Amino acid sequence: DAGITQSPRHKVTETGTPVTLRCHQTENHRYMYWYRQDPGHGLRLIHYSYGVKDTDKGEVSDGYSVSRSKTEDFLLTLESATSSQTSVYFCAIRTHRGGENEQFFGPGTRLTVL
Amino acid sequence: QQQVKQSPQSLIVQKGGISIINCAYENTAFDYFPWYQQFPGKGPALLIAIRPDVSEKKEGRFTISFNKSAKQFSLHIMDSQPGDSATYFCAASIRVNNDMRFGAGTRLTVKP
Repeated sequence: DAGITQSPRHKVTETGTPVTLRCHQTENHRYMYWYRQDPGHGLRLIHYSYGVKDTDKGEVSDGYSVSRSKTEDFLLTLESATSSQTSVYFCAIRTHRGGENEQFFGPGTRLTVL
Repeated sequence: QQQVKQSPQSLIVQKGGISIINCAYENTAFDYFPWYQQFPGKGPALLIAIRPDVSEKKEGRFTISFNKSAKQFSLHIMDSQPGDSATYFCAASIRVNNDMRFGAGTRLTVKP
């Protein structure tokens, strides 16, 4: 699992409430990513980080913000959750191995917005 | 608009048979093509990957075939086993940036 943990693993919340998901890694990787997984869409990149306080948008960033104040933690925040943000969220890290940048995923957080 | 199209959505194969999953892409700038395997309740796990300068890569029972001119690549699972039952995702990315695009996934069931 590349030393990645995600918390919480499951969450049910109501429309309009703020939600923060946490990704924690123990191996000092520089690059971290947040994806969402939905049926029929595979995984889609929300935001990524290339260092402390360095972040950038991905394919589906609207409605999400991120923060990275420490190398080991990458937070994903839904400022005001909507039902369309019901999904499974995966964090990933990037390693450089065999000349390739490879991404390894955490166990996921299942979020339900009622 | 999905930049990587994957088929079939689901696949049922008998034990010992060959499972074949296909992907097609449009962006010719893609230069890294990984396949991920995902079991229920788990995150995707990197299975095998290929660069476009080779036409085939084999690791154990798993083989990627790559056709650059057709912009297609496929995963072949030889001697499929019930333990291979999972969802498989193809992906494509440009190695110098961080935008990896995934196919929609194929749910493989291998019957004993």
